[in-house]
Amino acid sequence: GEDVEQSLFLSVREGDSSVINCTYTDSSSTYLYWYKQEPGAGLQLLTYIFSNMDMKQDQRLTVLLNKKDKHLSLRIADTQTGDSAIYFCAESRGSNDYKLSFGAGTTVTVRA
Amino acid sequence: DAGVIQSPRHEVTEMGQEVTLRCKPISGHNSLFWYRQTMMRGLELLIYFNNNVPIDDSGMPEDRFSAKMPNASFSTLKIQPSEPRDSAVYFCASSQDNQPQHFGDGTRLSIL
Repeated sequence: GEDVEQSLFLSVREGDSSVINCTYTDSSSTYLYWYKQEPGAGLQLLTYIFSNMDMKQDQRLTVLLNKKDKHLSLRIADTQTGDSAIYFCAESRGSNDYKLSFGAGTTVTVRA
Repeated sequence: DAGVIQSPRHEVTEMGQEVTLRCKPISGHNSLFWYRQTMMRGLELLIYFNNNVPIDDSGMPEDRFSAKMPNASFSTLKIQPSEPRDSAVYFCASSQDNQPQHFGDGTRLSIL
């Protein structure tokens, strides 16, 4: 959707950190999500952040939220070949509106 | 724990035929979502249900598409008659209220 934008491709060397960026337009967004999609599979929830937070860390994953700039990022530390996938940013308003708006997805390629 | 279960995984049929996609949400989840994924349009929300009631069907492309949720553990998405442009991957997702959505593995639909 046009409400959520992501760069389309990212190439990273194995062992380096990956940073995937996302911008959104809806200031009433309540929850922001990162999903991972491997070839032929569904979307796997990686992590999510509530809009009153600015950072969340979960093992190799770090999510940063700049609410003023409506910018969300996902950092993957020590990127592995198994991290090669499409990563989707999504936002929802929460409350009684459960719909998700997805970005177009960032294809991450991990090279040896 | 069983995740969202979709069937069939793959469907190939000729245009004009009726197609029925099935979804079993995660037990205890009260919201169910149908998405379509294509290269051109990305992920699109078609319809979502809350407590078995359709809440928003604004994404349903046209009258050829219909969705039902007769009970909390089953939903169908039907296309009649099908057309080649309906070829896509169709995902079902479920959630508990505004908690994160969990996706099935999808049905890859090809209309010849």
